[in-house]
Amino acid sequence: KAGVTQTPRYLIKTRGQQVTLSCSPISGHRSVSWYQQTPGQGLQFLFEYFSETQRNKGNFPGRFSGRQFSNSRSEMNVSTLELGDSALYLCASSLDSIQETQYFGPGTRLLVL
Amino acid sequence: AQKITQTQPGMFVQEKEAVTLDCTYDTSDQSYGLFWYKQPSSGEMIFLIYQGSYDEQNATEGRYSLNFQKARKSANLVISASQLGDSAMYFCAMKEVRGRRALTFGSGTRLQVQP
Repeated sequence: KAGVTQTPRYLIKTRGQQVTLSCSPISGHRSVSWYQQTPGQGLQFLFEYFSETQRNKGNFPGRFSGRQFSNSRSEMNVSTLELGDSALYLCASSLDSIQETQYFGPGTRLLVL
Repeated sequence: AQKITQTQPGMFVQEKEAVTLDCTYDTSDQSYGLFWYKQPSSGEMIFLIYQGSYDEQNATEGRYSLNFQKARKSANLVISASQLGDSAMYFCAMKEVRGRRALTFGSGTRLQVQP
């Protein structure tokens, strides 16, 4: 089975721009979660989507949004980029159970200049 | 309050030796899951091992085992026979039944395996 894929792998943007990141989960996985990783804050949960609905959300401003499509692929969008949004954005997919493991993609490294 | 605590920012181990990475957690849930992930410099988070709160046996996966002490709320990762490729960041994480169903991560331990 193919793993979780994320595109693009690297991205450079300037302040004020917006960006869209894409994630394709493992086949059969309907839950997709997004995490932000920075040296200062570590790994933080952004949101989770299941069956095209946002089921959970972390403590991030409204500039961070996402969606999930009928094929379970997910996108996250960050509008009005700030320097502090520079981070590794990780997507994870899982089956829908609390015991189920979340499998991560390779991440997208975003640099905001 | 920090839910996952990893007190070892960095550790060194000789190749072929065993190493224990510490993790303590805090939760009021009776049902939760504990996970360990490895993150090489490439950035991808690689799942290593899972322990459920109701599992009576310690989890094992190849060279990885999880020393689960529920009363002490600790879930230490033991890597036996360390290899050079084990050099990476290691994260302990927890998922609670109640709450956001998201993983809460510790700050990580950087492990360096020396030849």
